[in-house]
Amino acid sequence: DAGVTQSPTHLIKTRGQQVTLRCSPKSGHDTVSWYQQALGQGPQFIFQYYEEEERQRGNFPDRFSGHQFPNYSSELNVNALLLGDSALYLCASSLDRIKQPLHFGNGTRLTVT
Amino acid sequence: QQPVQSPQAVILREGEDAVINCSSSKALYSVHWYRQKHGEAPVFLMILLKGGEQKGHEKISASFNEKKQQSSLYLTASQLSYSGTYFCGTVPGYQKVTFGTGTKLQVIP
Repeated sequence: DAGVTQSPTHLIKTRGQQVTLRCSPKSGHDTVSWYQQALGQGPQFIFQYYEEEERQRGNFPDRFSGHQFPNYSSELNVNALLLGDSALYLCASSLDRIKQPLHFGNGTRLTVT
Repeated sequence: QQPVQSPQAVILREGEDAVINCSSSKALYSVHWYRQKHGEAPVFLMILLKGGEQKGHEKISASFNEKKQQSSLYLTASQLSYSGTYFCGTVPGYQKVTFGTGTKLQVIP
């Protein structure tokens, strides 16, 4: 049973560019959440997708957008990259029910130069 | 609002015990606990729900004080494999999980 998979593993971009990160949830999971984790910090919630719609959003600018596909996989897009966007981006999947834990992928390490 | 964890870091010798605390300013429906090893994804340890229900690994114990919006994770007879950063995640309602800043635990021989 495959867990949460993310691609790519590492990415280097230049300021002003755009990036797309991808996530395939754990089999059977219908909800995908995206988190940004800066070095030495806890994961910060970006947004959550369920039934192909953004259900909740954290305190991130509109430069951060996402999408969920009918097969529950998801993409995170970041436009006009800033140096401060450099971080580990984690995708977490879960079942849309209470008492359900998050299952994290290994993340995408984004470096903006 | 981000939950507050204490201590920020702790060093244990194998076999010693530790307690990690998590406090929120909001009324909570549940608290999650995860452990993240360096360069790896956070791994689920436990969920504690309002009303006393718990769900998680057998060797992990934790408590949730609903009135004080506080949770504690108890690590007993620590092993080298317990090393990592522990995060609590708070859920005010049927909402997103908001993570604390983490507690770095190092177990030494």
